[in-house]
Amino acid sequence: DTGVSQDPRHKITKRGQNVTFRCDPISEHNRLYWYRQTLGQGPEFLTYFQNEAQLEKSRLLSDRFSAERPKGSFSTLEIQRTEQGDSAMYLCASSTYGLPNYNEQFFGPGTRLTVL
Amino acid sequence: QQQVKQSPQSLIVQKGGISIINCAYENTAFDYFPWYQQFPGKGPALLIAIRPDVSEKKEGRFTISFNKSAKQFSLHIMDSQPGDSATYFCAASIASGSARQLTFGSGTQLTVLP
Repeated sequence: DTGVSQDPRHKITKRGQNVTFRCDPISEHNRLYWYRQTLGQGPEFLTYFQNEAQLEKSRLLSDRFSAERPKGSFSTLEIQRTEQGDSAMYLCASSTYGLPNYNEQFFGPGTRLTVL
Repeated sequence: QQQVKQSPQSLIVQKGGISIINCAYENTAFDYFPWYQQFPGKGPALLIAIRPDVSEKKEGRFTISFNKSAKQFSLHIMDSQPGDSATYFCAASIASGSARQLTFGSGTQLTVLP
């Protein structure tokens, strides 16, 4: 399977704990996105990487959130001191730059986070 | 501020019928409008997308209609099948941002009755 993969698929943690999620994009894609999706809503943009550079962050990405993409391959999203409001599906997407596949973003299966 | 408004919230159609989902946007800088299909427990899957230089795009049973002056676009699913039962999201991407992140609508839960 050459699609976007995410690990773990599910994570249950207690409030105040730190969690880390991993995303492996489609191998030839140089752009990587993180989105958050709460129940009954569409995904919301969190942050974006082009190769290893984090170029944009949403105001949704508080100081407790940090993302990295070392070497421009896989990416990690860490949430420190989790809160119950962090419970959501965290989605990763990847895309190439430029035509002909203009901004086609392909999503992974997501990591479902539950904070107790 | 919700930049992409989607309706209806839920839709029930009979097998073989036409499903129509509508979206409206506010930001005229948007220049890419995809539709995604999402099954429970899965990530969104790209269905079809359109640029504002065309008014319609068709791929199989799925058609996007785009009205630039009204700032509206819609998804038509012809000959709807029970396997089409899923949540559908419209989205838009802004031209001026380097990230070209997607702004999603709130979703439409489609149920196709056998």
